[in-house]
Amino acid sequence: SAVISQKPSRDICQRGTSLTIQCQVDSQVTMMFWYRQQPGQSLTLIATANQGSEATYESGFVIDKFPISRPNLTFSTLTVSNMSPEDSSIYLCSVERRGGIDLETQYFGPGTRLLVL
Amino acid sequence: AQSVSQHNHHVILSEAASLELGCNYSYGGTVNLFWYVQYPGQHLQLLLKYFSGDPLVKGIKGFEAEFIKSKFSFNLRKPSVQWSDTAEYFCAVKGMGTGRRALTFGSGTRLQVQP
Repeated sequence: SAVISQKPSRDICQRGTSLTIQCQVDSQVTMMFWYRQQPGQSLTLIATANQGSEATYESGFVIDKFPISRPNLTFSTLTVSNMSPEDSSIYLCSVERRGGIDLETQYFGPGTRLLVL
Repeated sequence: AQSVSQHNHHVILSEAASLELGCNYSYGGTVNLFWYVQYPGQHLQLLLKYFSGDPLVKGIKGFEAEFIKSKFSFNLRKPSVQWSDTAEYFCAVKGMGTGRRALTFGSGTRLQVQP
């Protein structure tokens, strides 16, 4: 498996502000994803973070609201822009390795718990 | 499009009882199937996975799951649960050949084991 860290682990923010979440992996990975887990609900994919190019967003999620960067094979950021209380959620980074026994298997970071007031 | 259904939203069991959590998916092609667990206050962890071969797969902590292709099912089982199994369990699917590398998750099942 991969060791994945996320910063911050939690935050309380005011509406209208933005928060950038960082995801760092201990080794190179093929794929990086960002998911959202709203209170009491399952995980929903926001986007696939592509190294060196624009992220691929799922229906209902747009780059202006959730800009994503992935400058290399071990790091990605997700920004939640112009936040509203509806953005209160846990944001999870997920990674998939290049090969070996972990091929096609995703591992998840500890998540960032966001509360927007 | 692929989807996953977990029909049991909240299950309450006594210790030593047997567990079976249902998972059904909709996708006509080859799939990779996963069960993840989220213990209270902890992050999502992989319990087990099925890619191909023996449809009965064993995971960590005594869990197993059986892939039944004809029923589009991947139910999770454990013969005897412990209080420490209290957690939320998520079934997930990845449809192969779609170009989509991300997972589609079910709604989750909250398991509460009473001592």
